[in-house]
Parts: sequence; structure tokens; C-alpha cells
Amino acid sequence: KAGVTQTPRYLIKTRGQQVTLSCSPISGHRSVSWYQQTPGQGLQFLFEYFSETQRNKGNFPGRFSGRQFSNSRSEMNVSTLELGDSALYLCASSLPVASTDTQYFGPGTRLTVL
Amino acid sequence: TQLLEQSPQFLSIQEGENLTVYCNSSSVFSSLQWYRQEPGEGPVLLVTVVTGGEVKKLKRLTFQFGDARKDSSLHITAAQPGDTGLYLCAGANNNAGNMLTFGGGTRLMVKP
Repeated sequence: KAGVTQTPRYLIKTRGQQVTLSCSPISGHRSVSWYQQTPGQGLQFLFEYFSETQRNKGNFPGRFSGRQFSNSRSEMNVSTLELGDSALYLCASSLPVASTDTQYFGPGTRLTVL
Repeated sequence: TQLLEQSPQFLSIQEGENLTVYCNSSSVFSSLQWYRQEPGEGPVLLVTVVTGGEVKKLKRLTFQFGDARKDSSLHITAAQPGDTGLYLCAGANNNAGNMLTFGGGTRLMVKP
């Protein structure tokens, strides 16, 4: 079956702009989590959505937001972009039944803020 | 805040050598997962360990979860160039949904 897809794969924006990233989970998966990966901070949890509700949120400012649709597809939005928002944004999907459920990661969206 | 410290950060070895990557925390996790990430791709799950003291083997890779479920290790025997990549440990808790706390990663290069 098809894996997790993320669009776009690459994005270049300037400071102050906003951006929307999209994630389509594996068919049947209802949980979508978002992570930010940077060379300095590594992989950091942004938020998790399950059945259209945010279930967990990491320590990121309110400029970072997300949502999930009834078909489990998810979007994340970053407003008023800053240079430090340049990163690889990864989403992961899982069923989930337990925290040990396998999370399947997409290839990521590489965001560059100039 | 739970933290996972991973060491070493970088490792460059010759084909055929053995290596161990460590993942340590002061916090207890319900489970510990190991991922491998290659350039341009997302992390791919290698193994999940759940029980304290658990040892799992995946071909030349051996994973161990500490008795207190605060630390884990990944041992690779006779490393091959195909093992090159970024290895990540990640902790999960049953009361935190699917939130994973990742270690900083170990970038492994195996030279032929």
C-alpha cells in the first residue's frame, strides 16, 4: 500500500510569510504526528492529531498550528516565518492503538526561509 | 521534560568493525524505538523494545532496553557500507499518545 506522502517536498519562503504543508497518511491510519528536524535541535515533536482532534502538542510557539480532516489528511501552518523555521518537517502516521504502534514517516518537506 | 541523550554523535569506521550506539535518559519510557534515516527520506523504524532488559536481534543489529527502561543500546556487528546512515532512538509513553521524544542521533559512516 502507498506510504505517507507529503507535499510539497521543497519550499522557499521569505521572513514574515506564512506556509501550509500537507500530509496524507497511509490508508486506514487515523493518527498523524508532525515533527521538525534541524541540525541543531534534531527531531522535535510539534503536535499529533487523531480523529480530527489535536491530542498532543509540543513546545512550539502559537505560530505553528495544524488541523486534520475527516479523511485523516493533515495540514500544518506556520505563520510569520522566521529564519529559524528553516527545517525538514516530517509527518508520521499510525493506526494507533498503543504508543508502541509503528509510526510511518513521510519523506518530509524541506522548508527554507530567506 | 523528558530528554534522550544519544552517543556518539558521529562515528566513522571501517567495514567489518563492530560498534555500539547508546541512548540514555533520566526518565522512564514505556517503550524505546530505534530508527534509521537516510538522506532525503524520513526515519524508518528498525525495532521497538518494551520490556526492561529486553534484547532484540535484527540480523547483525542487537538492541537492548535497560532494566529500568531509561536507556538503550544498539550494537552492530561487522558493519557494512550499507549500514551508513543516521540512527535515532526515540522514547514513547503510554500516556502521551504517539508523541516520540528523539535522541540527537548518531551519524554512522562505514567505509569500504
